[in-house]
Amino acid sequence: EDQVTQSPEALRLQEGESSSLNCSYTVSGLRGLFWYRQDPGKGPEFLFTLYSAGEEKEKERLKATLTKKESFLHITAPKPEDSATYLCAVQAQDQNFVFGPGTRLSVLP
Amino acid sequence: DAGVIQSPRHEVTEMGQEVTLRCKPISGHNSLFWYRQTMMRGLELLIYFNNNVPIDDSGMPEDRFSAKMPNASFSTLKIQPSEPRDSAVYFCASSAHNQETQYFGPGTRLLVL
Repeated sequence: EDQVTQSPEALRLQEGESSSLNCSYTVSGLRGLFWYRQDPGKGPEFLFTLYSAGEEKEKERLKATLTKKESFLHITAPKPEDSATYLCAVQAQDQNFVFGPGTRLSVLP
Repeated sequence: DAGVIQSPRHEVTEMGQEVTLRCKPISGHNSLFWYRQTMMRGLELLIYFNNNVPIDDSGMPEDRFSAKMPNASFSTLKIQPSEPRDSAVYFCASSAHNQETQYFGPGTRLLVL
């Protein structure tokens, strides 16, 4: 069964304090791994897609990396506006999509 | 582009009533997805369509749920009869191909009393 777990469940950082969020997955053939950001009361907003181990993508203060078993979302010098829930999702070879439970990030000024 | 449009944004109904949620995908996208999000279970895929055809409805919880996509610009998710445990936020998303980026709508918050 395809499965996605994320850690930590919640994370509080001071502004400027860099950290990483983890997404671990088991899937029958990975077609793609997706990172989304979700603000309260809104739909998930796309951040990155990663397709193969070793791939990295960057956007502003965020950098996503992928191995055969997990992905990391690195946040460098975060700002309060980076506070949100970050969701990881995988698409398997059978095209099934599975989302993880998310990590709630709070960045304090 | 206006993005994915969902209506209504909020729905409050009584147990046993029929509920219809609506979605207009981004123009030109050929895949459409319905999700349900709750605190307990997170974001769950209910069903998705490719070119208006349902591909995988294994996530639909039971026969009370049904989804249609009569054309490329409109889809509905119907719950009949509704139950309190159906209370959740229902999201619609679309993508250009089912393995590419999904763009989510703002969601419909459903409360079944």
